[in-house]
Amino acid sequence: VQMVESGGGVVQPGRSLRLSCVGSGFIFSSYGIHWVRQAPGKGLEWVAGIGADGSKKYYGDSVKGRFSVSRDNSLDTLFLEIDSLRVDDTAVYYCARENYLDGLYCDYWGQGTPVIVSS
Amino acid sequence: DIQMTQSPSSLSASVGDRVTITCRASQRISRYLNWYQQKPGKAPKLLIYAASTLQSGVPSRFSGSVSVADFTLTITSLQREDFATYYCQQSYNAPFTFGPGTTVDVK
Repeated sequence: VQMVESGGGVVQPGRSLRLSCVGSGFIFSSYGIHWVRQAPGKGLEWVAGIGADGSKKYYGDSVKGRFSVSRDNSLDTLFLEIDSLRVDDTAVYYCARENYLDGLYCDYWGQGTPVIVSS
Repeated sequence: DIQMTQSPSSLSASVGDRVTITCRASQRISRYLNWYQQKPGKAPKLLIYAASTLQSGVPSRFSGSVSVADFTLTITSLQREDFATYYCQQSYNAPFTFGPGTTVDVK
């Protein structure tokens, strides 16, 4: 199982960005996927999640209305669209596969893609 | 939203020590609690899910338990590779919030 994020970089405040996450080594369309971010020197913040078929989507309070999660199961790819980027969106963004047995958990994580919001 | 707290925020320990980290939720979450380990510059790694189930491949010196509203991660005999930051996460409902983390460093 592998999760590989891409799309990060240096972006000006107010601009938009789309992150991607490709999953391999498993049946991508059978699993929910989550985005978790970590600002420099800070803890983990759960950002968003999407169900296996894309019909259920969940967002953290701090990103509702600006972040949009979607997936293309034909490409084994997850997307995170970020609008109106703010300086405090600067973080490493991880995607993680969701699994479920007696509860939901994230069992495989990507290496992360860094997003730096700066003018 | 469910708020998660962890204690202590950091601790210093030696190889061979028994280490205990506690996590508490702001409301009842049954056993929907996960523990992750993170080392600097690396992605988090799942250790325990559903409060006490050890993820495949994780050493048996790690264990999780729950007593009333307190969740505990225990490392029975700390190894050199265990110096890291540990996070709890509730999976009772979205947003699936993490605790602030507990850093275990060398005494």
